[in-house]
Amino acid sequence: QVQLVESGGGLVKPGGSLRLSCAASGFTFSDYYMSWIRQAPGKGLEWVSYISSSGSTIYYADSVKGRFTISRDNAKNSLYLQMNSLRAEDTAVYYCARDGYGVDYWGQGTLVTVSS
Amino acid sequence: EIVLTQSPGTLSLSPGERATLSCRASQSVSSSYLAWYQQKPGQAPRLLIYGASSRATGIPDRFSGSGSGTDFTLTISRLEPEDFAVYYCQQYGSSPATFGQGTKLEIK
Repeated sequence: QVQLVESGGGLVKPGGSLRLSCAASGFTFSDYYMSWIRQAPGKGLEWVSYISSSGSTIYYADSVKGRFTISRDNAKNSLYLQMNSLRAEDTAVYYCARDGYGVDYWGQGTLVTVSS
Repeated sequence: EIVLTQSPGTLSLSPGERATLSCRASQSVSSSYLAWYQQKPGQAPRLLIYGASSRATGIPDRFSGSGSGTDFTLTISRLEPEDFAVYYCQQYGSSPATFGQGTKLEIK
C-alpha cells in the first residue's frame, strides 16, 4: 500500500534552517509529481511547493519562494524540503503529498515550530 | 492565483440529514480540476472527490460532487456520525494550486 512518511520537523529559532524528508513506498515514485502542503495550527491548508516526476519542473508558493528548496531522489524514493530563513509564520504541520488527480495520498505530517 | 471561497463557514446538521457545501472560484477552474477533501482532528486530509465529480477509491456513494467553471458543490446525501469533519475544496488546474478556507460540518 502507498505510504508517505515525513521526518525532520522540530523546534528551530527564527532565521534558522531545517530539512524535511519524505520516504515513499508502495508505488512507483518516479512516475508521480510530489508536493509539500502545510497547515498552521488551527488554520487551513496551504500548498507550499511541487516538483515534477523527473525533477525538471518546480513551483513554489510566493510565501516561501527564495527561502525553501524542494528536491527529490528517485533512486531513494525520497522527497525533500530544505527550509532556510525560517519565520514564525512558517510554523505548521508539513505534509508530503502525492499528486495524482488531486492529492490522492498524504503523509501523517511533521510539525515545524519556529520560535525563539 | 485562483481564490476559492467556501460557504458556509460552519454547517450544523443532524445525522441522516443532507449536507450541501459550496466552493466558488475567482476565475474558471481549468478542465474541472477541482477536488474535495475531508479532514478530522489530528489526521491528514483524505481525498473524497477529484475532477469535480469523480469519487476517489473507497469513498461511499453518499458523497457526490458537481459543478463546473466557477461554482462547485459537495453533497453528502445522508449524514453518518463519521462525516462530521472539516471539508476543503482545492483547484489543481492552475499553478499555484489553491485551497478554500474550509467548511466545518458539526453535529446539531
